[in-house]
Amino acid sequence: EAGVTQSPTHLIKTRGQQATLRCSPISGHTSVYWYQQALGLGLQFLLWYDEGEERNRGNFPPRFSGRQFPNYSSELNVNALELEDSALYLCASSETPGLPYEQYFGPGTRLTVT
Amino acid sequence: RKEVEQDPGPFNVPEGATVAFNCTYSNSASQSFFWYRQDCRKEPKLLMSVYSSGNEDGRFTAQLNRASQYISLLIRDSKLSDSATYLCVVYPQGGKLIFGQGTELSVKP
Repeated sequence: EAGVTQSPTHLIKTRGQQATLRCSPISGHTSVYWYQQALGLGLQFLLWYDEGEERNRGNFPPRFSGRQFPNYSSELNVNALELEDSALYLCASSETPGLPYEQYFGPGTRLTVT
Repeated sequence: RKEVEQDPGPFNVPEGATVAFNCTYSNSASQSFFWYRQDCRKEPKLLMSVYSSGNEDGRFTAQLNRASQYISLLIRDSKLSDSATYLCVVYPQGGKLIFGQGTELSVKP
């Protein structure tokens, strides 16, 4: 069974630009989650999408946004990039929400803002 | 206070050793508990879910004490391939997993 896939693997942008990151969940999973892992820091929850709707978002500014498509894949958009947005962005997926709520992660997109 | 706190690392152990990681969480309403492992610059991989009754998967044993809000992971007969960062993870609600900072394990020959 294919796991969660993410693209691109690496992305280099300059301050002020926009970045778009993509994620395809495990087949059969309807929920997609986005996390940020900055260097030396723990994983921070960004967004949760389920059935095309944003269900929850973490403590990030509105320039972090996304969407989920009818095939359950998802995009994360980061506008007006700042240097501190440089991080590993991880996407995870799970089955229709229900306990125990296991989330499976993709390999991540490493975003570098210069 | 951090929502999930783990033993500071790194743990340096010889092959074959038994090592234990501990974790405490602050939200008593948390519903699910997990251990993930993360290799350097890679994604976290689910190691095991943790249940109140305790659960075992080969050389790995996880325990949960809801009254003390404490989670543990025991690794027996450590292998070189067990070297990684172990993340204690708690799910309170709202799709959001709360990750501890992780404990680094280095298994030496």
